[in-house]
Amino acid sequence: GQQLNQSPQSMFIQEGEDVSMNCTSSSIFNTWLWYKQDPGEGPVLLIALYKAGELTSNGRLTAQFGITRKDSFLNISASIPSDVGIYFCAGQPQGGSEKLVFGKGTKLTVNP
Amino acid sequence: GAVVSQHPSWVICKSGTSVKIECRSLDFQATTMFWYRQFPKQSLMLMATSNEGSKATYEQGVEKDKFLINHASLTLSTLTVTSAHPEDSSFYICSAKLYNEQFFGPGTRLTVL
Repeated sequence: GQQLNQSPQSMFIQEGEDVSMNCTSSSIFNTWLWYKQDPGEGPVLLIALYKAGELTSNGRLTAQFGITRKDSFLNISASIPSDVGIYFCAGQPQGGSEKLVFGKGTKLTVNP
Repeated sequence: GAVVSQHPSWVICKSGTSVKIECRSLDFQATTMFWYRQFPKQSLMLMATSNEGSKATYEQGVEKDKFLINHASLTLSTLTVTSAHPEDSSFYICSAKLYNEQFFGPGTRLTVL
């Protein structure tokens, strides 16, 4: 089945640093979504991408839909302690399915 | 906007009993909702797609008679874990589809003793 390879698996950074994480796939996706999940909570949608090449920002977050439609990245600039959490990429595969395929997550730790 | 609630947020039950979890879209209508299960330190695993007014579509390996899904209205889907056993203990999360995006509920922690 379709899989998303998300990397890195975890990151330990200092407050103020920039962060970058990405997801890749061997197949084409029509939609890319980035979520953040705090412990014991459901994922919260950060950014949604719909077109190849699309670059979208949400505050300090920026995400791009890769030109090949097989990858996406999420950048966080000037990290702060509340950025701590697990970030998931999710994609809607080409083919009309409503289902999302999820990456395995990137656990972000920010040291004050 | 696009708020999804779940009830209860946590539940502890005895082995053999049934537990119902509700998922509600509070400020939009959702013809399609999804039920996920998440184990500690793992990603979300889709269990089933819930469609308003029709039968749910279950993922391979998910027992439909054990995890009963009902989507009786455009704002409510329920998941009933029947005859729960300790191995059913997990974090259950629902999502509701709005346009091409899924908005998640806060999750329900189920512990079966």
